[in-house]
Amino acid sequence: AQSVTQLGSHVSVSEGALVLLRCNYSSSVPPYLFWYVQYPNQGLQLLLKYTTGATLVKGINGFEAEFKKSETSFHLTKPSAHMSDAAEYFCAVSEATGGFKTIFGAGTRLFVKA
Amino acid sequence: DTGVSQDPRHKITKRGQNVTFRCDPISEHNRLYWYRQTLGQGPEFLTYFQNEAQLEKSRLLSDRFSAERPKGSFSTLEIQRTEQGDSAMYLCASSKSSGTGGGQPQHFGDGTRLSIL
Repeated sequence: AQSVTQLGSHVSVSEGALVLLRCNYSSSVPPYLFWYVQYPNQGLQLLLKYTTGATLVKGINGFEAEFKKSETSFHLTKPSAHMSDAAEYFCAVSEATGGFKTIFGAGTRLFVKA
Repeated sequence: DTGVSQDPRHKITKRGQNVTFRCDPISEHNRLYWYRQTLGQGPEFLTYFQNEAQLEKSRLLSDRFSAERPKGSFSTLEIQRTEQGDSAMYLCASSKSSGTGGGQPQHFGDGTRLSIL
């Protein structure tokens, strides 16, 4: 069965500092992996996805994530945080073989200090 | 691409009442999903449609919950005899299908926030 663990329900960084949000997944087959961002009272917006191919995936707003199969991880990074990055971030996994269901992690709230 | 639209955005009702939410997916998307999100949690899968066929329902979806997508376009989610525990954000998402499933990202609406008094 698929599962997602996001390490740290809250992360606080200073503006301009590195953002690192951690995600580990469990899947019995090759996974598809996603990061979504959610602003208050809104739905989720896709930041980036990994399906196959290059393990370093670039997304919108300067975010990127690296798929590491040996570590079953898909951590999200951004070199320099901006105030507008403050939001809730969700890591998600779905399976590649006939799967449609996407399982979401519990989320990490990112705070950005001026 | 006008995005996924959900109506209403907010619903306040008394315990025991029935409520119905509507979701209009992106027009060319044939997959439609319903999720429930409670405070501090990620979305939890409720059910999924491919065109008009409801292909899976979560065990979270009790017999008080029913979803339809009659013509493969918009969908409705109905909750009968609402309970306090039904208070949550109900999110709808849509996606294109892909050959092996799972790989297409889902596009989310802004949700319907349900509050049970």
